[in-house]
Amino acid sequence: EIVMTQSPATLSVSPGERATLSCRASQSVSNNLAWYQQKPGQAPRLLIYGASTRATGIPARFSGSGSGTEFTLTISSLQSEDFAVYYCQQYNNWPLTFGGGTKVEIK
Amino acid sequence: QVQLVESGGGVVQPGRSLRLSCAASGFTFSSYAMYWVRQAPGKGLEWVADISYEGSRKFYADSVKGRFTISRDNSKDTLYLQMNSLRTEDTAVYSCARDWSGCSSTSCQPSYYFDYWGQGTLVTVSS
Repeated sequence: EIVMTQSPATLSVSPGERATLSCRASQSVSNNLAWYQQKPGQAPRLLIYGASTRATGIPARFSGSGSGTEFTLTISSLQSEDFAVYYCQQYNNWPLTFGGGTKVEIK
Repeated sequence: QVQLVESGGGVVQPGRSLRLSCAASGFTFSSYAMYWVRQAPGKGLEWVADISYEGSRKFYADSVKGRFTISRDNSKDTLYLQMNSLRTEDTAVYSCARDWSGCSSTSCQPSYYFDYWGQGTLVTVSS
């Protein structure tokens, strides 16, 4: 099983600042990586797939990068609606696995 | 608009069974692979099982293999999860999710990531 490790567990950021979230895979997943955003009481929302392709309707302030084992989700200028938990998911191998999540909170 | 609505959750004793349903609308259900994903209270996301668009291919997490069965009825636009021999560690919100790729005129290859999710149904396994 590919273990996905996200860091940090919690990220405190002021509105308007840049946020950088990391996701590491225990073995290469090529670029088969997705990012999701989840707000309390809501279903997850697909942000990024293919490591760097924004899903439909996702603002340009969200960007993904990386390949192999190291991936990054960057939110260029945090808006109030961006405070949430973010998960990465690899889909290169079964079982499909998620990272433990990074909570982005208001500083 | 795409809607996925789960039902069937509840409180059940260890060792008992429960069947979850996911009613789909707003898209051609029979053209999409579907998934069950769960989230234990205060925890992260865990893929549970998935099924191909026509139901012939199914995969399960090791934690549920042999106990859970995923199925679908394309005539009813409904996805199911039969959960047997439930354990306390199965306590979670169970959500169904749709694959990002639907079948095209030439291919039915799933993408294995999820573009729409339901709100989930809570399963509590407790004596």
